[in-house]
Amino acid sequence: GAVVSQHPSWVICKSGTSVKIECRSLDFQATTMFWYRQFPKQSLMLMATSNEGSKATYEQGVEKDKFLINHASLTLSTLTVTSAHPEDSSFYICSARDGGRDEQYFGPGTRLTVT
Amino acid sequence: RKEVEQDPGPFNVPEGATVAFNCTYSNSASQSFFWYRQDCRKEPKLLMSVYSSGNEDGRFTAQLNRASQYISLLIRDSKLSDSATYLCVVNPSFRQKLVFGTGTRLLVSP
Repeated sequence: GAVVSQHPSWVICKSGTSVKIECRSLDFQATTMFWYRQFPKQSLMLMATSNEGSKATYEQGVEKDKFLINHASLTLSTLTVTSAHPEDSSFYICSARDGGRDEQYFGPGTRLTVT
Repeated sequence: RKEVEQDPGPFNVPEGATVAFNCTYSNSASQSFFWYRQDCRKEPKLLMSVYSSGNEDGRFTAQLNRASQYISLLIRDSKLSDSATYLCVVNPSFRQKLVFGTGTRLLVSP
């Protein structure tokens, strides 16, 4: 299957700081990438859909000014959690769609802990 | 009603057993269907796409019943390594965002 990487794999930061997470498709071009969040023992929750060269589409209840998404190239999307708070602590996972195919491939996730 | 519903389990089975999971979806116009596997504290990994004619990959068989709006996953000859959470995933419209079920947890014991 297609390979998607995420960086960093885990991060601990202090409340009020910003954290940037990168998502890269390594062996294919991804016109669309998706950002999810998953709390312990819960299902994945879609946060936003990121299309290369255009603004992201955010799901209801997700603050676009807090979760900044940039998809500047066909292989890279970034999620910046601004002014992080302890309640933002979660497992953030990106996925990418391989061109004209329907399947999505997930990155390994980033575990964020805000203290 | 949730868009995608699954029995959360856990399903506890011995090695070698056959186990089946079902999943129902509410949008009759849904275009594509998948089973993903997620291990604890890891990302979901695509297990198989589910086609209208059904499909098989080794010990895994997936079926789609559009009339009743459910998909199934059958695992034969369970291995310890099959222990994971199995996510039923539906794409309501081709190449759009996926809708995830909450997952069914499988525990295979020696």
